[in-house]
Parts: sequence; C-alpha cells; structure tokens
Amino acid sequence: GAVVSQHPSWVICKSGTSVKIECRSLDFQATTMFWYRQFPKQSLMLMATSNEGSKATYEQGVEKDKFLINHASLTLSTLTVTSAHPEDSSFYICSASGNYNEQFFGPGTRLTVL
Amino acid sequence: GDSVTQMEGPVTLSEEAFLTINCTYTATGYPSLFWYVQYPGEGLQLLLKATKADDKGSNKGFEATYRKETTSFHLEKGSVQVSDSAVYFCALSVGRGAGGTSYGKLTFGQGTILTVHP
Repeated sequence: GAVVSQHPSWVICKSGTSVKIECRSLDFQATTMFWYRQFPKQSLMLMATSNEGSKATYEQGVEKDKFLINHASLTLSTLTVTSAHPEDSSFYICSASGNYNEQFFGPGTRLTVL
Repeated sequence: GDSVTQMEGPVTLSEEAFLTINCTYTATGYPSLFWYVQYPGEGLQLLLKATKADDKGSNKGFEATYRKETTSFHLEKGSVQVSDSAVYFCALSVGRGAGGTSYGKLTFGQGTILTVHP
C-alpha cells in the first residue's frame, strides 16, 4: 500500500509555544488529507479535512485558529498547534487519500505540552 | 449522528483460539464499513471492508459480514496468531469519494486491543 509519514514522531514543548507537525505522502499524490486526534484508550476523532490548495474544513468543536492546517502541495500537509497548552497533549494522526480514495494513515505524532 | 461501538477490550487469547470482536453502528445514510488494524509503532492499515448489505470482507484469515438488519460488522478469525496482536478499529464512512467510491469521512469505534499469547 501507499506510505504516509509524519514528522516528528514525538515532541515535547513548553506551554505557550507553537508546534508544527508534518504529514507526507511518499509515493502518491494526496488530493485530500485528514487530521485526527486520539486520546488514550479512545477512538480517533476527525479534526479537519484538507484539500490541496484550498482551506481546510474543520469539524464542529475544533478551533481553526488553534489548529492551523496547510495543504500547500499534493504530498505535504502541516498541522500547527498554536499556543499549545497541556490539554492539547495528545496523539495526532494524519491520513492521505489520492486517486483510489482509500485513506492511508501515518504512524502518528505524540505531543506532550508541559 | 454517525457512531460506531466496539466491544471493550483488552482481549487476551491463546494462539489458535477463535476471535470475535463485536462492532455495531448507527448511521444517517447507507454506510460503507471497515476494519483497520494498528500494529505497535505503525499507522492504521485497512484490514477489510464491505460496501453493501450482506457483503463479506476478508483478508489474512479475518472476516466480517455487513449485517444491515442488526447494524453490525463483527470481526472474526478462526485461529489467531501471536502476530495478530494489535489494536483493531471498526469504522464507517457515509460520504462518497470521487469516482463513485465510498471513501468519505471515517467515523471510528474506540478500538479493541488484542493480545495473543503463544
């Protein structure tokens, strides 16, 4: 199957700082990328859907000014957690979808905000 | 809204035991149903899928049948292996992707941790 990478795999930051997470489709062009958040022992919650070259569509309850999503190319999407606080600590997962429409998932990024 | 409910884990089995992980759903439309597997340190992988009632998805010895009358999509395997130890997610999608496929936004269950002992 297609490969999706995320960077970094884990990050620790101080409260109030911003953190950027990258999601890359390595061997296909991703017209759509999805960002999920996963709490311990809980399901993946869709945060937003982004299409290349257009603004992301955020799910209800997700602050778009808090979680900035950019999908500037067909192989890269970024999620920036702005002014992070301890409650933003979580596991963030991206997925990418291309011509076959199946979503291929990245390995996730563990964010810890101190 | 759409939702997926999975049996709570963790599930611990001995090698060669029979596996069932229950999954039921509620959906506003006519969903496609999926099982994803997440091995330690890796991303979610599609295990199998079914797009209409009575379809059976199968892969790597795992099976699940789309039961519209009971709104269920239970995952089964006749003989599990240690290498099957992972987290299993049931999911549905109601949106439609381009080209008439059924891949839209995914709604996931909470995941079931499976541990298989030798």
